[in-house]
Amino acid sequence: NAGVMQNPRHLVRRRGQEARLRCSPMKGHSHVYWYRQLPEEGLKFMVYLQKENIIDESGMPKERFSAEFPKEGPSILRIQQVVRGDSAAYFCASSPDPSGSGNTIYFGEGSWLTVV
Amino acid sequence: KQEVTQIPAALSVPEGENLVLNCSFTDSAIYNLQWFRQDPGKGLTSLLLIQSSQREQTSGRLNASLDKSSGRSTLYIAASQPGDSATYLCAVRTNNDMRFGAGTRLTVKP
Repeated sequence: NAGVMQNPRHLVRRRGQEARLRCSPMKGHSHVYWYRQLPEEGLKFMVYLQKENIIDESGMPKERFSAEFPKEGPSILRIQQVVRGDSAAYFCASSPDPSGSGNTIYFGEGSWLTVV
Repeated sequence: KQEVTQIPAALSVPEGENLVLNCSFTDSAIYNLQWFRQDPGKGLTSLLLIQSSQREQTSGRLNASLDKSSGRSTLYIAASQPGDSATYLCAVRTNNDMRFGAGTRLTVKP
């Protein structure tokens, strides 16, 4: 059973370009979470998605950031018109069903975005 | 809103010392608490998971305790080794997600 797969692992973008980060959850998991880790900081929650639904996006910046988890295919975190401050590690995690559950959330290896 | 705090932010000890990392959280309504290790430029490695009904978990030289009512957890590392040098993250699981502390950066000097 493959773990949470993220790609690309490393991405370099120029200011103003778009960044797309992909996350395939573990098999059987229908809940996906995205976290951002700025240099020298802990992980900050961004968004929680189920298939075709955004459940909690309280951690997402209001502009330029969007996330989706379509019925088919991976979850996508999209950052438009990137700025240097977007440089960070973006971690995806998945779980089978968190509602009222103590199930572990499993993390991917992360995608490191560098904006030049 | 759940806030997770880790103290100290950084710790440097000589090899062989026993040490304690602290984690506190503001809302005791958690499902579980998890300790992770993160090496520079790498992902997260899960160390110990404590369910809300449990008081502690042990794995090798690591022991984690949980006092849910007071909102505290400790990670005890016995006989520290240079290979233990990393950032240690504490995270609490709530209904929708996990909330992380900023981490404790541990350096074990040979």
